[in-house]
Amino acid sequence: GENVEQHPSTLSVQEGDSAVIKCTYSDSASNYFPWYKQELGKRPQLIIDIRSNVGEKKDQRIAVTLNKTAKHFSLHITETQPEDSAVYFCAPGGNQGGKLIFGQGTELSVKP
Amino acid sequence: GAVVSQHPSWVICKSGTSVKIECRSLDFQATTMFWYRQFPKQSLMLMATSNEGSKATYEQGVEKDKFLINHASLTLSTLTVTSAHPEDSSFYICSARGLRGARDEQFFGPGTRLTVL
Repeated sequence: GENVEQHPSTLSVQEGDSAVIKCTYSDSASNYFPWYKQELGKRPQLIIDIRSNVGEKKDQRIAVTLNKTAKHFSLHITETQPEDSAVYFCAPGGNQGGKLIFGQGTELSVKP
Repeated sequence: GAVVSQHPSWVICKSGTSVKIECRSLDFQATTMFWYRQFPKQSLMLMATSNEGSKATYEQGVEKDKFLINHASLTLSTLTVTSAHPEDSSFYICSARGLRGARDEQFFGPGTRLTVL
């Protein structure tokens, strides 16, 4: 099955700095690569996703880059704000009936 | 985005009792629903995948006789935790995928916090 590794597990940045979180996966058949943001006690929210036919996607301050050969994809957040503080999960999947396998999570703290 | 609801949002029960959690897609037909469990400060762990009208597929290590899943319609899936014990206390989240949005996108419910005394 899919083996997902996410790094770092915690990340603390100053407001305005950039944050990068990396996710590596093992299943070469994965073709869908989403990132979720989860606040305490709440449901995961999809913040950006990318499919295997694209190498990069950007949505305002958030971007995702994909390296299918190396089997990793990364979340980039620029100009971080305190409200970006949350736990972020990668969840590659798209095959095997559409199931997603979540990474361990990265707790991002943005200090004002 | 599409709306998925869960009921109840929280439940407290005694050890040995059974608890049913409902997951509904409110504005689209969910051909597939997924059930996850999340312990404090941990990731979401996929428990099972259910397709409307067929038996659920359970992930390795998840007891199918303990976690009963029914997906009787395109808008409703239920998870029943049978003979619950304190170690079953967790945050249970469902997600739905179907004829709404991109093919791979899953829409998550708000979660149900189960506490077993």
